[in-house]
Amino acid sequence: GQQLNQSPQSMFIQEGEDVSMNCTSSSIFNTWLWYKQDPGEGPVLLIALYKAGELTSNGRLTAQFGITRKDSFLNISASIPSDVGIYFCAGGTSYGKLTFGQGTILTVHP
Amino acid sequence: EAQVTQNPRYLITVTGKKLTVTCSQNMNHEYMSWYRQDPGLGLRQIYYSMNVEVTDKGDVPEGYKVSRKEKRNFPLILESPSPNQTSLYFCASSTGQGGGYEQFFGPGTRLTVL
Repeated sequence: GQQLNQSPQSMFIQEGEDVSMNCTSSSIFNTWLWYKQDPGEGPVLLIALYKAGELTSNGRLTAQFGITRKDSFLNISASIPSDVGIYFCAGGTSYGKLTFGQGTILTVHP
Repeated sequence: EAQVTQNPRYLITVTGKKLTVTCSQNMNHEYMSWYRQDPGLGLRQIYYSMNVEVTDKGDVPEGYKVSRKEKRNFPLILESPSPNQTSLYFCASSTGQGGGYEQFFGPGTRLTVL
C-alpha cells in the first residue's frame, strides 16, 4: 500500500517554542489531514486540507497541503504543555481509504 | 453525547479462540472503519464500510472479518487470532461527506493474543 514518511519521529521542546513537522510521500493524495492522539485515547482530527496549496489555520495550528499533492506540514506556534501527544498525518485517496504516517511524539517541557 | 464506543476495552486471549470486538456509533454516520496501531507503524486501516452491507478491504485485512448489518454497528471478527494480531485497535466513523476522511475515533481496544 501507499506509505507516508512523517518526521521528526519525536520532538522535545520548551514551552513557548514553535513546532514544525511534515509528511512526504511518493504518491499523490487527494486530501491531507492531521490528527492528534492523547495518551490512552483515540486520535482527534485537528485540520483537514482538500486543495493543493491550501493553507489552513486552527488556533495556534497551521497546516498546508503541498502543491505537488505529495506532502503536508503542520506548525504549532507558542507550544503549551497540553500540546503533548502523538501527531499523525493522514492522506486520503479513493473514498474512505486513509493512510497514516508513523506519528511524531511531542514532549513539551514547562 | 456523540461518541464511538468499543467493547471490550482490554482483552487477553489465546491463539485460535474466535473473538469479536464491537463498535457502535450514535451519530447516524454512514462510514465506519477499523484500524490497528502498532509502535513505529502508525495506524493501519483494516476494513472500512461506506454504508450498510457495503464493506471493503483496507491495507491490512488478512486475518480479520467485518460485517455491517446495521448503520450504527461495525464489529471486527478475528476467527482464529494469532500473536501477530496483538495490537491496539481503533474503530472510527464519519458522515462520509468529502470522502469520509474526517473521522471520529473510539477509545481503542487493547488486544493481547498469547
